[in-house]
Amino acid sequence: DTGVSQDPRHKITKRGQNVTFRCDPISEHNRLYWYRQTLGQGPEFLTYFQNEAQLEKSRLLSDRFSAERPKGSFSTLEIQRTEQGDSAMYLCASSLGRGGTNNEQFFGPGTRLTVL
Amino acid sequence: DAKTTQPPSMDCAEGRAANLPCNHSTISGNEYVYWYRQIHSQGPQYIIHGLKNNETNEMASLIITEDRKSSTLILPHATLRDTAVYYCTLTYSGAGSYQLTFGKGTKLSVIP
Repeated sequence: DTGVSQDPRHKITKRGQNVTFRCDPISEHNRLYWYRQTLGQGPEFLTYFQNEAQLEKSRLLSDRFSAERPKGSFSTLEIQRTEQGDSAMYLCASSLGRGGTNNEQFFGPGTRLTVL
Repeated sequence: DAKTTQPPSMDCAEGRAANLPCNHSTISGNEYVYWYRQIHSQGPQYIIHGLKNNETNEMASLIITEDRKSSTLILPHATLRDTAVYYCTLTYSGAGSYQLTFGKGTKLSVIP
C-alpha cells in the first residue's frame, strides 16, 4: 500500500505523559499536514511542512505540541504533558504540486489519542 | 472559521443520485472548491475539486454556479458504501499552505 500511513493507530495515555505520533506520507509528496479532529467536528488544521520546513502553525498548536519532519520524509507530532482536552483523532495528510490546482490532500487513517 | 455552509444531514435512496449542496458566498476569485468525504473511523478521502467550471471524475460531478457562491456535489448512483460525512472546503490557489478548513459537513445516509 503506497498511501499515507500513521503509527500508532490508537494511543491511550495518562494525563501528564508525553506521546509521539509518526506519519509516513506518500513518497513523492513534498507537502505534509497535521490536523486534529474531535467527535462530531470536521478536521482542524494544526501545521504544515513543505519538505523539511515547517511553514505554518495554527493557534491550536500550543507550546506543548511540536512537530518535525527532519529529512523531508516522515514526520512526528509530539504532545508533552498531555491533558484530557488533547483526546482526539490526529490526522496526517500529504500532497504533491503547487498551488490550489493540484493540492489534493491524501489522508492517513489517523491516530486516536485518549488521555485518561 | 469555516467559509462554507452545508446541511447537517441528508438521505438518499440506493441507486438514486445524491445531490449535496454547499454555500460559499464569500469565496474569493482565487479559491478552489474541494470536496472530501469521511467514512466512519477513517481519514477523509478526496473526491473532486473545481475553480469555476463544472468537473466530473469517476467518483462524482461538481457543479459550481456562475457566480461561484454555491456548488453541488453529485453522486450519480448512490450505493450503501457512499454513506459518509461529506465536506465542502475552499483552498487558496496562490502562495500559502493550502490548508483545508473543514466545517461540520453533511452526513449522507444511503438507504436500501
